[in-house]
Formats: sequence, C-alpha cells, structure tokens
Amino acid sequence: QKEVEQNSGPLSVPEGAIASLNCTYSDRGSQSFFWYRQYSGKSPELIMFIYSNGDKEDGRFTAQLNKASQYVSLLIRDSQPSDSATYLCAVNGGTYKYIFGTGTRLKVLA
Amino acid sequence: DVKVTQSSRYLVKRTGEKVFLECVQDMDHENMFWYRQDPGLGLRLIYFSYDVKMKEKGDIPEGYSVSREKKERFSLILESASTNQTSMYLCASSFGAAGNEKLFFGSGTQLSVL
Repeated sequence: QKEVEQNSGPLSVPEGAIASLNCTYSDRGSQSFFWYRQYSGKSPELIMFIYSNGDKEDGRFTAQLNKASQYVSLLIRDSQPSDSATYLCAVNGGTYKYIFGTGTRLKVLA
Repeated sequence: DVKVTQSSRYLVKRTGEKVFLECVQDMDHENMFWYRQDPGLGLRLIYFSYDVKMKEKGDIPEGYSVSREKKERFSLILESASTNQTSMYLCASSFGAAGNEKLFFGSGTQLSVL
C-alpha cells in the first residue's frame, strides 16, 4: 500500500515567520510531488510541484525534495494570515494516479 | 481559466436511493477523476477516466459506478446509497499522461445519506 504521511497539525506560526510543512512517502518509484492548498470549505488548488531533488522556488513558496530520504517539504516565507489553510501533499502513484496525504492545517497568527 | 463544475454543492438523500453526481469541465481535458474526502482519511480516488467511455477503478470503487459518454462530462453514480457514503465528493480533471499533471478540482458536493 503506497502511503503519504503528513502531520495533521495545526501548525501555528506568527505572521512574518517561515512555515515548514513536511511530507514523507513510501514508494521509492514516485517521480512527481505536489503541494495543494485547501481553504476551509473550498476545493484544493495546486501551488507547487517538484520532480527533481533539491529546491524549487516560486515567490514565497519553496518546495524541497529528497528522494533518498523519501521526504518532500514546503516552506512558506513571510507567512501571512491568508496562508492559513490545509496543505495537502500528493505523490504520483502511477499513470493518472495521485496519492494524497491527509493534510497539515496551518494557522498564521496575526 | 479551467472550470470544473459540479452540479450540486449540497445533497441530502435517503438510504437505498440511486444518486447521480455530475461533473463538467470546459477545457477539453482528457482525464477526469472522482475523489471523496473524509476527515482524517484525506482524498481517496474512487474512479477515473482517461478518455470517453473509458473508466478505471481507483482505490475505493465499491458501491460506485461512473459514466463518461462525452469528453466534458463525468458522472458518479451511487447505485444504492448507504450512510457510509456520506462524504465530500470532489471531481477533478487534468490534461496529459506524463505523471506530472496539475489536477483542477470542482467546488465539491457534500452528500449526506440519511
């Protein structure tokens, strides 16, 4: 059974701080990794994807991938109250298949 | 912008009823998916379709069926609704088969089976 694990949180950070969200996965063959943001009562939206080891930056967001450790993380710099949401990690589990973690709830305190 | 539209935001049905959840996308995407989302269990794939009239079982297909007669429309059918099918149902679409496709989600249907 392929699995994606996330700490459910909530992770509370003060406004302006760096929020660090972590995800581990079980399938060593996984090639693509995604971070979706889901506001309460809304549907998920993709904010980052990464498929190479190392860092990928997009504005205030940085995705980090370490395939040897089967670990992917999302850093949010200068966190804002509007970043408060649940962040879902997803891993490509085969053609057309994506395995989602249960999500980490982030609270940014003003 | 891609739009994925689910026909109902909230739905209340009785045990044993046949339930249809409709999903339409407007970007000519090949792939369409049905997920259910439950607290503590995350998003789980029910069925997906990569082409018209094609369908594949996901991780939890029991008690569900699907129909894709037109490229833009993907329907989820609960043949005989049960209380354990009370959940948030999310439709999604994507383009391509490289394994790094972005999923576009609809706004979801909160189904309650009484």
